[in-house]
Amino acid sequence: QITLKESGPTLVRPTETLTLTCSCSGFSVNSMSVGVHWVRQPPRKAPEWLARISWTGAQLYNAPLQKRLTVTRDTSANHVVLTMTDMDPLDTGTYFCVYTSAAVFENWGPGILVAVS
Amino acid sequence: IQLTQSPSSLSASMGDTVTITCRSSQGILIAVAWLQQKPGKPPTPLLYDVSKLERGVPSRFSGSGSGTVFTLTISRLQPEDLATYYCQQYNSFPRTFGQGTKVEIK
Repeated sequence: QITLKESGPTLVRPTETLTLTCSCSGFSVNSMSVGVHWVRQPPRKAPEWLARISWTGAQLYNAPLQKRLTVTRDTSANHVVLTMTDMDPLDTGTYFCVYTSAAVFENWGPGILVAVS
Repeated sequence: IQLTQSPSSLSASMGDTVTITCRSSQGILIAVAWLQQKPGKPPTPLLYDVSKLERGVPSRFSGSGSGTVFTLTISRLQPEDLATYYCQQYNSFPRTFGQGTKVEIK
């Protein structure tokens, strides 16, 4: 069974750096065709795609946020880490990690609500 | 690629059929998924490749369309269908979502 779970701080101060960890089970982050994405959702708004790390370690970012985002993985721990610098109150929202094996967003973590204040 | 959903909300009675439309700013072939999100929960996929049902999704959910216009149809609306529905494209990066359609039960 594929599961993902986000962990990290639920409150950060403006200008601080947010670091979130996505703990993955039921699959390996370096298995062929696997991708792990980060998506965020501001309160009462639509989801917004942030970044992806592929099974080869290749990273892609949402261009307007690219300078602030870094996604990495630890294959031995089987987790993926998202770092977002210079946090702003507008970055408040729920952050999800998502598993894909063929582009479709198949499995979502429960999400972690991060407030910037 | 921008995705525009309509309507932004709707209210319907149990047993009704409702249709949600998603328009893409560019052609996205069949790389469209529909997701359902209930309050306090992550989105869950309902359909992918326009019309293919995810495992365990009732057959009263159906999808159609091609090119730039796609629809989600919910037949025989049930109380548990109270949710917000999003279309999402995976034809290209950045992945994008529609702004959502909130479905309420009268």
